[in-house]
Amino acid sequence: QVQLVQSGAEVIKPGASVNVSCKSSGYTFINYYMHWVRQAPGQGLEWMGIINPNGGYTRNAQKFQGRVTMTRDTSRSTVYMELSSLRSDDTAVYYCARSRGTGAAAIDFWGQGTLVIVSS
Amino acid sequence: SFVLTQPPSVSVAPGKTARITCGGDNIGTKSVHWYQQKPGQAPLLVIYYDTNRPSGIPERFSGSNSGNAATLTINRVEAGDEADYYCQVWDTDSDHPGVVFGGGTKVTVL
Repeated sequence: QVQLVQSGAEVIKPGASVNVSCKSSGYTFINYYMHWVRQAPGQGLEWMGIINPNGGYTRNAQKFQGRVTMTRDTSRSTVYMELSSLRSDDTAVYYCARSRGTGAAAIDFWGQGTLVIVSS
Repeated sequence: SFVLTQPPSVSVAPGKTARITCGGDNIGTKSVHWYQQKPGQAPLLVIYYDTNRPSGIPERFSGSNSGNAATLTINRVEAGDEADYYCQVWDTDSDHPGVVFGGGTKVTVL
């Protein structure tokens, strides 16, 4: 069965960076794009960007340009999201989630989420 | 960027019908997906490409999309349908194409 298993919760100091991993199994890794979506406490869903595991092409939401880096390791079927220059309002649950394609394709499966708390 | 507008909350009695709207400029020309999110859980896809149900989603869930609004309809509402619901499109209209989510609608079963 499809699984997206994310790394564990993190507490990070303001100004530092966080790296969240998302390991895929149960399907062909390179056949699905991977999104990163975050959700601040009590708030809605916010899209951060997308990576094509087949080649590594990425597209970020304008809000996160220059602060987010998405990479992948095809040998480990894992994607990574690094968010830098963290602020308190980056405190959120971060999800990886796959879609069959970019563009209009639906996100059909989500990871369990990784809580990132930014606090001194 | 493209803006999707959802009502913050909808209340419905068990067995009745809940309708959740998702407004956007000419949204009928875009493909709309809907997600259900229960407290402490990741979102779950319930409708894709306006009207399609993934495997395992009850037939009580249906979708439509026309003009400036898409609608998620839940027939014969059950207590287990209580959740937040989000609509989503791919925004091709801006200089930075990407995924856009509505603000979410909390469905309360009375």
